[in-house]
Amino acid sequence: GAVVSQHPSRVICKSGTSVKIECRSLDFQATTMFWYRQFPKQSLMLMATSNEGSKATYEQGVEKDKFLINHASLTLSTLTVTSAHPEDSSFYICSARESGTYGYTFGSGTRLTVV
Amino acid sequence: KQEVTQIPAALSVPEGENLVLNCSFTDSAIYNLQWFRQDPGKGLTSLLLIQSSQREQTSGRLNASLDKSSGRSTLYIAASQPGDSATYLCAGSLTAGNKLTFGGGTRVLVKP
Repeated sequence: GAVVSQHPSRVICKSGTSVKIECRSLDFQATTMFWYRQFPKQSLMLMATSNEGSKATYEQGVEKDKFLINHASLTLSTLTVTSAHPEDSSFYICSARESGTYGYTFGSGTRLTVV
Repeated sequence: KQEVTQIPAALSVPEGENLVLNCSFTDSAIYNLQWFRQDPGKGLTSLLLIQSSQREQTSGRLNASLDKSSGRSTLYIAASQPGDSATYLCAGSLTAGNKLTFGGGTRVLVKP
């Protein structure tokens, strides 16, 4: 079945620095990937839709200059948290759908801690 | 705009009891509904996917139904086991390839 790999699984960074999270579709091509954020004991909230070769579409209230998304190939999307602050600490998860199928596959998530 | 609700937020049952998890959605024009399992600190594992033309899907001890007219989906887990303890999330999309809208999840604890 479709596999989505997300890296790193955990990252700790200092306030003011930037962190890049990668999301790869291992055995299929994904023209669209999705980035979610999850706070403790809460559900997933969609941050943005990543489109290969074009600009990402951000959900209302998500700062596009803070959460930079790049989808340069059909198998890779990246999320960069710029000038990170402690309130950006969260669990970030990506997902993708293989063309011709109906279900969505999720990565294993990235736990970001900003100190 | 699709809104998805899951009730209850938490559920505790003794081992062997059947689990019934509820999911409701506001837009009956739902395209797909998908059930996921999430273990603490982990990503999501897809359990069952129901397309809009389908009424239910089954996989082992799991059965999920979809009633578009009433805006409801139910996940049944038969003969629960301690290993079934996790958070269960339902999510729906309005069109193919469109974003998923998640419910708040139901945290399940199966006691030995």
